[in-house]
Amino acid sequence: RKEVEQDPGPFNVPEGATVAFNCTYSNSASQSFFWYRQDCRKEPKLLMSVYSSGNEDGRFTAQLNRASQYISLLIRDSKLSDSATYLCAVTGNNDMRFGAGTRLTVKP
Amino acid sequence: NAGVTQTPKFQVLKTGQSMTLQCAQDMNHEYMSWYRQDPGMGLRLIHYSVGAGITDQGEVPNGYNVSRSTTEDFPLRLLSAAPSQTSVYFCATSWSSYNEQFFGPGTRLTVL
Repeated sequence: RKEVEQDPGPFNVPEGATVAFNCTYSNSASQSFFWYRQDCRKEPKLLMSVYSSGNEDGRFTAQLNRASQYISLLIRDSKLSDSATYLCAVTGNNDMRFGAGTRLTVKP
Repeated sequence: NAGVTQTPKFQVLKTGQSMTLQCAQDMNHEYMSWYRQDPGMGLRLIHYSVGAGITDQGEVPNGYNVSRSTTEDFPLRLLSAAPSQTSVYFCATSWSSYNEQFFGPGTRLTVL
């Protein structure tokens, strides 16, 4: 079983839709959690950190459920520019492990 | 500030050749790491370093060596290239293993 698992998608949604991604992790000792965005043929870039109390940044909301060992990302009012691959990341024993990524395409 | 730089951007090798992928950062980060990214596999950790002089293995270390003689540089060496090492390689840096990582632009490697 992989340490960090994501639904690979793809998710194809119309503009204005709300879309949610989930990510599960196996290491219960994990301390830090992140969502990254990766555009085609580019490097991953931090979208947002995920805090225990949940956090929001504009149209993006991230949540952490330690008991069930998953993190989520909610995107409201999707824009064409949100089309990308979204990677979850979880820190473990001196390292950071990534999910395989979920591909999102927002269509007009 | 350049952030995290990687060279070369593209490389084609023949099976059995060796080469070094370069990674440099000017962010004064202690933690550096190397990942490879393959379709459907996501980012897999090859090696990492928590500071100068200290390195350790990640998920997929076989066929790769690293060293960390300075804070700024973390080269990745392919000892004897194999077609299975065809991939995109990313270097990343952060303050510690618990902080967000900043990625370089990547090196696209093809082994024939």
